[in-house]
Amino acid sequence: AQSVTQPDIHITVSEGASLELRCNYSYGATPYLFWYVQSPGQGLQLLLKYFSGDTLVQGIKGFEAEFKRSQSSFNLRKPSVHWSDAAEYFCAVGANDYKLSFGAGTTVTVRA
Amino acid sequence: KAGVTQTPRYLIKTRGQQVTLSCSPISGHRSVSWYQQTPGQGLQFLFEYFSETQRNKGNFPGRFSGRQFSNSRSEMNVSTLELGDSALYLCASSTTGTKETQYFGPGTRLLVL
Repeated sequence: AQSVTQPDIHITVSEGASLELRCNYSYGATPYLFWYVQSPGQGLQLLLKYFSGDTLVQGIKGFEAEFKRSQSSFNLRKPSVHWSDAAEYFCAVGANDYKLSFGAGTTVTVRA
Repeated sequence: KAGVTQTPRYLIKTRGQQVTLSCSPISGHRSVSWYQQTPGQGLQFLFEYFSETQRNKGNFPGRFSGRQFSNSRSEMNVSTLELGDSALYLCASSTTGTKETQYFGPGTRLLVL
């Protein structure tokens, strides 16, 4: 069965600084990988996804992620964080069983 | 295109009652999935439906059930509510449910007293 680990529960970053959120997955075959963002009291919004091809994927809001098969990782990055990026971020892996398996999430706090 | 809609958005019930939550997928989407989100357990998969058939089910007790109608709308039901069922219940839809993005609704916040 597939699984996801997000090692960082909480990250605090200054506005304008860079951000990197870590995600490690476990799955025997090529996974389908996603990053979602959730603002308080809201549903999940897709930031980006990886299915195949170019391992560096671009998403919305200036986010990008890199798939590294050798490290089983799919880390999310943003070069310059805005106050509106404060939210909870979830990495998810999909397989061929019609479900997503989510990591525990990373809460991002942006300080002025 | 309208997004995934869920009703009601908020619900308060007492232990022992039952509850039905509704999800309307994006037009043209035939796969609907349900997830439970709690602070302790995170996001957990409940079940997935496609063309009125359940194709996968998560590790939840039989009190949790669902169904999908011919217009792809889905409902989930929780019987004999327990305090631990308090959660945000999220619905997601996609075209076929296979190797594609799932789009999430805003969720239904259930509080069991």
